[in-house]
Amino acid sequence: EPEVTQTPSHQVTQMGQEVILRCVPISNHLYFYWYRQILGQKVEFLVSFYNNEISEKSEIFDDQFSVERPDGSNFTLKIRSTKLEDSAMYFCASRAQVSGANVLTFGAGSRLTVL
Amino acid sequence: TQLLEQSPQFLSIQEGENLTVYCNSSSVFSSLQWYRQEPGEGPVLLVTVVTGGEVKKLKRLTFQFGDARKDSSLHITAAQTGDTGLYLCAGPGGVNAGNNRKLIWGLGTSLAVNP
Repeated sequence: EPEVTQTPSHQVTQMGQEVILRCVPISNHLYFYWYRQILGQKVEFLVSFYNNEISEKSEIFDDQFSVERPDGSNFTLKIRSTKLEDSAMYFCASRAQVSGANVLTFGAGSRLTVL
Repeated sequence: TQLLEQSPQFLSIQEGENLTVYCNSSSVFSSLQWYRQEPGEGPVLLVTVVTGGEVKKLKRLTFQFGDARKDSSLHITAAQTGDTGLYLCAGPGGVNAGNNRKLIWGLGTSLAVNP
C-alpha cells in the first residue's frame, strides 16, 4: 500500500538552529500538508500546499517556517531558527484530488526536540 | 472558532467489553473523520461520516454522525487488545470551505484494552 515517508524520525537540535524535515508524499497525490502535535496537545494544522504554492497557513506558520517542493517528489518543512516551543511531532500528509473527499494519508512523523 | 471535544480522555477496559467514545462540537461540520494513532505513528483514517444520522460499520466498530452534524460517536463491540490506541476525531475547518480544507482535531481518547 502506498505510504507517506518522513525523515528524520527523530531530530535533536539546539535552540536557534535551522531544521529541515523531509517528506515523500504518495506519488500521484496533489495536496500536501504539514501538521504538528505537541506532546499532550491536539494535532494542529500548519500549512497546506497545492500546485506549487501555499494554499492556507495557520497562525503558527510564521516567518520562521517555510515549505518547498524542490524536485516533484520531496516536500520539505524548514524552521529557520528553532525555539523550545517548536518541540513536537511533525506530520506530513498528502491527498489525491478526489472530489468531495478529504482522505489524507499521514506519514509516521518526525519528532523534533529543541534543547 | 470550531472546536472538537472528545470524551472520555482516557479509557481502560477488559478484553471483551463494549465501549463508546464521543466527539462533540457546538459547530456544524460538513463531515467528521475518525482516526486511530499508535505510539510513534501518524494517524490512520478509520472512517469518514458525511450525512447527519449516518451510521457506518467497520467490523466491530460502529460510527455514528449526529443528526445535526455536531457530534459523532464510536462504539466498539467486544474490544480486543489490538484495539488499544489513541482515537482521534477530526473535521474540516469551515462548513463551506473548498477541497483543500484544513482539519481541526480533537484531543483524542486514549484506549487501553487489557487482556
